Amino acid sequence: AQSVTQLGSHVSVSEGALVLLRCNYSSSVPPYLFWYVQYPNQGLQLLLKYTTGATLVKGINGFEAEFKKSETSFHLTKPSAHMSDAAEYFCAVRLRLEADSNYQLIWGAGTKLIIKP
Amino acid sequence: NAGVTQTPKFQVLKTGQSMTLQCAQDMNHEYMSWYRQDPGMGLRLIHYSVGAGITDQGEVPNGYNVSRSTTEDFPLRLLSAAPSQTSVYFCASSPRRGGFNEQFFGPGTRLTVL
Repeated sequence: AQSVTQLGSHVSVSEGALVLLRCNYSSSVPPYLFWYVQYPNQGLQLLLKYTTGATLVKGINGFEAEFKKSETSFHLTKPSAHMSDAAEYFCAVRLRLEADSNYQLIWGAGTKLIIKP
Repeated sequence: NAGVTQTPKFQVLKTGQSMTLQCAQDMNHEYMSWYRQDPGMGLRLIHYSVGAGITDQGEVPNGYNVSRSTTEDFPLRLLSAAPSQTSVYFCASSPRRGGFNEQFFGPGTRLTVL
């Protein structure tokens, strides 16, 4: 079955430290990959996406992610965490679940990023 | 543009009551979706629509109905509310070209069923 796994429901880093949020997916065909961010009591907004081309993609607020086909991963990173990065982050994969079906987005369970002062 | 709007923001229902969650978008997007968000489970797709007059079931459709009479509106109906439907509901829209190239989310409706 197609799936998206985010390692760690909570990740805690100190302000100024590296942020690394992990996402692995299972798919037999190259997918489109997305990271969304959800700030408290708000809807989700797109952080960045990979469709085709360059495997290192840059998003808003200094985040970037690298698509690694051999590892079926799309981990999200930021060199230096800021207090305003505290939010929940969701990885999603666009797939066709069946050959003639519409595209679907398969979502990870989310990772809550906690920033320590 | 207002983007994706949802009403109400909060709702409390008693078991067995019915209600409609409203969703509207002004971006002329063809794709619209309803998700529920529960702690530790991410987003689960309830129903979606690829255009006016066309709807389909997602992962967790039971207990919910949708219709899409216009491009702009995609209401979600709870037929007979149950405590298991306590959740945060998000509506999202996406331009059809590229199919889910990016989804735009509403602010959510927080529903409690007693």
